[in-house]
Amino acid sequence: QSALTQPASVSGSPGQSITISCTGTSSDVGGYNFVSWYQQHPGKAPKLMIYDVSHRPSGVSDRFSGSKSGNTASLTISGLQAEDEADYFCASKRGFSPGVVFGGGTKLTVL
Amino acid sequence: QVHLVESGGGVVQPGRSLRLSCAASGFTFSRYGMHWVRQAPGKGLEWVAVISYDGSDKYYADSVRGRLTISRDNSKNTLYLQMNSLSSDDTAVYYCARDRLTTPWDYYYGMDVWGQGTTVTVSS
Repeated sequence: QSALTQPASVSGSPGQSITISCTGTSSDVGGYNFVSWYQQHPGKAPKLMIYDVSHRPSGVSDRFSGSKSGNTASLTISGLQAEDEADYFCASKRGFSPGVVFGGGTKLTVL
Repeated sequence: QVHLVESGGGVVQPGRSLRLSCAASGFTFSRYGMHWVRQAPGKGLEWVAVISYDGSDKYYADSVRGRLTISRDNSKNTLYLQMNSLSSDDTAVYYCARDRLTTPWDYYYGMDVWGQGTTVTVSS
């Protein structure tokens, strides 16, 4: 079960925008609109930031947005803030051998 | 207040067994599918297993199928993970998480509530 592919790290300055990609296959990201994004601060549990590709749970800042094209999903954070510095993981429903597949994670550094 | 609290982690020798629990409160536990997700030290998240709201459907990651078993007791609002034949590869923080939607049941809509995790260390 291969993990979804994410860049290991991204960085940006306060106020800037960054985008994190998440590449899978037609059996997961490309085949379903059940792609989610999670934020994890050190020593803490993950937090759902985006579900169903582009929807934000109540309470999540509208600076966070999601999209998908083919087998690649993306998370964009606009107006970067220091508190956004964290690890970000994408996840998708997987059809072949039913289950869930996570990306390897991306460490976001706010310069 | 919606809450998940894991317990049962600890240090265990290779080949031995362990059972994790996840106590739910603040929501109607019997309506939601539930997941176990683990994170090895310094590594990313790895999905382990999911169970339907009534326990009738279960799916597992290939890496744990046949050794780890997910179950639930809706009368006790508790999720379980029975872990057998443990190896060092199972060393991780184990999180339980609630699936986001109740109906129609499907095995993944997103995990909207997470516990704080319980640590399992497999070592001789």
